[in-house]
Amino acid sequence: EPEVTQTPSHQVTQMGQEVILRCVPISNHLYFYWYRQILGQKVEFLVSFYNNEISEKSEIFDDQFSVERPDGSNFTLKIRSTKLEDSAMYFCASTQERANTEAFFGQGTRLTVV
Amino acid sequence: AQSVTQPDIHITVSEGASLELRCNYSYGATPYLFWYVQSPGQGLQLLLKYFSGDTLVQGIKGFEAEFKRSQSSFNLRKPSVHWSDAAEYFCAVVLYSSASKIIFGSGTRLSIRP
Repeated sequence: EPEVTQTPSHQVTQMGQEVILRCVPISNHLYFYWYRQILGQKVEFLVSFYNNEISEKSEIFDDQFSVERPDGSNFTLKIRSTKLEDSAMYFCASTQERANTEAFFGQGTRLTVV
Repeated sequence: AQSVTQPDIHITVSEGASLELRCNYSYGATPYLFWYVQSPGQGLQLLLKYFSGDTLVQGIKGFEAEFKRSQSSFNLRKPSVHWSDAAEYFCAVVLYSSASKIIFGSGTRLSIRP
């Protein structure tokens, strides 16, 4: 069964450092997403990406965040200068069409900023 | 305010008992409706979805949900729970006006009593 894969599963970084979270979406999917879940809180939308550009982004997705599809398979989330409050589980997802179709989620990357 | 509400933070039921998890939404138009499950250490998996038509929808793992327009609700049910159903359950919506992101409720944690 096709799946979304994320690496690494756990990343520890020092405050102020840059991190890149990586995702390989399902190969024939066209829409890609990043969500985050702070411990004990709800899953929050960060950004959606289609046709090599951002479709929509939330207030959380400020100038410290960026996304990229550097090749035909990877989809990355970069946090330029991490803050303590960026500590969360980050989920990548993909859909074949828009978000009203089934979204497939990766298992997440737990980011810990120290 | 526009929202997805899951009023129960934590529910414990006995194995073999029936289950109902509540979800209410508050949007001008009926959105696309979903239930996702998150097992410990796992990503999110779609249980079922409602777009239109029959208001009782069947999903995977023996779950079903009923859409009630008059109550703005989309409650998840299972007639007989299994220990493996212990997980976090998220109600979610996608708006017609912006079908590029999923909006999640705060989740209900389900524990199973042996």
